[in-house]
Amino acid sequence: SAVISQKPSRDICQRGTSLTIQCQVDSQVTMMFWYRQQPGQSLTLIATANQGSEATYESGFVIDKFPISRPNLTFSTLTVSNMSPEDSSIYLCSALGQGAYNEQFFGPGTRLTVL
Amino acid sequence: GQQVMQIPQYQHVQEGEDFTTYCNSSTTLSNIQWYKQRPGGHPVFLIQLVKSGEVKKQKRLTFQFGEAKKNSSLHITATQTTDVGTYFCAPSAYGNKLVFGAGTILRVKS
Repeated sequence: SAVISQKPSRDICQRGTSLTIQCQVDSQVTMMFWYRQQPGQSLTLIATANQGSEATYESGFVIDKFPISRPNLTFSTLTVSNMSPEDSSIYLCSALGQGAYNEQFFGPGTRLTVL
Repeated sequence: GQQVMQIPQYQHVQEGEDFTTYCNSSTTLSNIQWYKQRPGGHPVFLIQLVKSGEVKKQKRLTFQFGEAKKNSSLHITATQTTDVGTYFCAPSAYGNKLVFGAGTILRVKS
């Protein structure tokens, strides 16, 4: 299994500013992902964070809005840029497990409120 | 892209009653995972189903994968208050990505 921590756990930000969320895994993992989840809703994949190369974004998400870094096999960051109230959500990172099931282990999430 | 329909959206049961959530796809799935998210928590992996017609049990939880690999279900026998949460099915997509269903919110009345 993998234990994942995220910082910050929550934040309240002003419109137009940017926030960087950090995700730390306690072991080296091949793949990391970033999701967005509105309260009471399902998870939507934003992008796959690739180590040593640009992230792979899902339809509807772009690098200018959600730049992602993955400098090594245990760490990734997601920046929410030029925020608007529509960006208010919970942002979760996950890591692909190394076991037989390819399960994903999730961080506790970052609750973002944009005023 | 790959999408799944998950029903019901919400179920409120009396403690001790059974609960089932269903996940349906229009396309054949290579495999499907199930996750549970407690209120205020993050998703936690429960199981992965790979084979056609597969049935797996975890104590009071029974997971099934349809013969055509287009549907799956999670059944909880004799629910307890600890079962409260949202249950998501999540087929895998290309590149080890997961496509999460809408989820079924389970509330248990004691």
